[in-house]
Amino acid sequence: SQTIHQWPATLVQPVGSPLSLECTVEGTSNPNLYWYRQAAGRGLQLLFYSVGIGQISSEVPQNLSASRPQDRQFILSSKKLLLSDSGFYLCAWSEDRGGGYTFGSGTRLTVV
Amino acid sequence: AQSVTQPDIHITVSEGASLELRCNYSYGATPYLFWYVQSPGQGLQLLLKYFSGDTLVQGIKGFEAEFKRSQSSFNLRKPSVHWSDAAEYFCAVSGYSTLTFGKGTMLLVSP
Repeated sequence: SQTIHQWPATLVQPVGSPLSLECTVEGTSNPNLYWYRQAAGRGLQLLFYSVGIGQISSEVPQNLSASRPQDRQFILSSKKLLLSDSGFYLCAWSEDRGGGYTFGSGTRLTVV
Repeated sequence: AQSVTQPDIHITVSEGASLELRCNYSYGATPYLFWYVQSPGQGLQLLLKYFSGDTLVQGIKGFEAEFKRSQSSFNLRKPSVHWSDAAEYFCAVSGYSTLTFGKGTMLLVSP
């Protein structure tokens, strides 16, 4: 069966420090991969998605970037964190449009 | 571009009472529609989905949703709410390659 792993679960980082959040999927190949951010009262905001290795689409211009170095690995990064980067980050995968997404357990990022 | 509106930010329901959470969508073609539930500090869990066929869809945990094309709605229902149903619920519509979510409805269950 397919599983999705996301880590770390919580992270406290100072302003200006770098960020790397990792997400991996097991039990499937060539999944569509997504990074969402969830801020209080704002629902889920799509940040990046990828339909294949090295293919990244950015939905919102910001201080973050994403990479997909391997088929089932999706990384969210920042060179210098801002206070506004605080939030709950969720990774998800899907096989196709109709199947819906399966989400990871999320990373709570607090920038101080 | 697709969009989803969940008009209720918070809803309080007594345990054992029925529940209906509203969702309206905007999408130019036949929509793929989803309901997710999120407990505090957790990821999202898929409750049910619709993309064709019977407009009344059954999901997990006793939830169901009805697709009404004429009203662009996909409301979530449960006949009898349990305290463990307290959580945030998200409606979503699938575009060509991504899901767009509503802002969510927080369900509070009173004893």
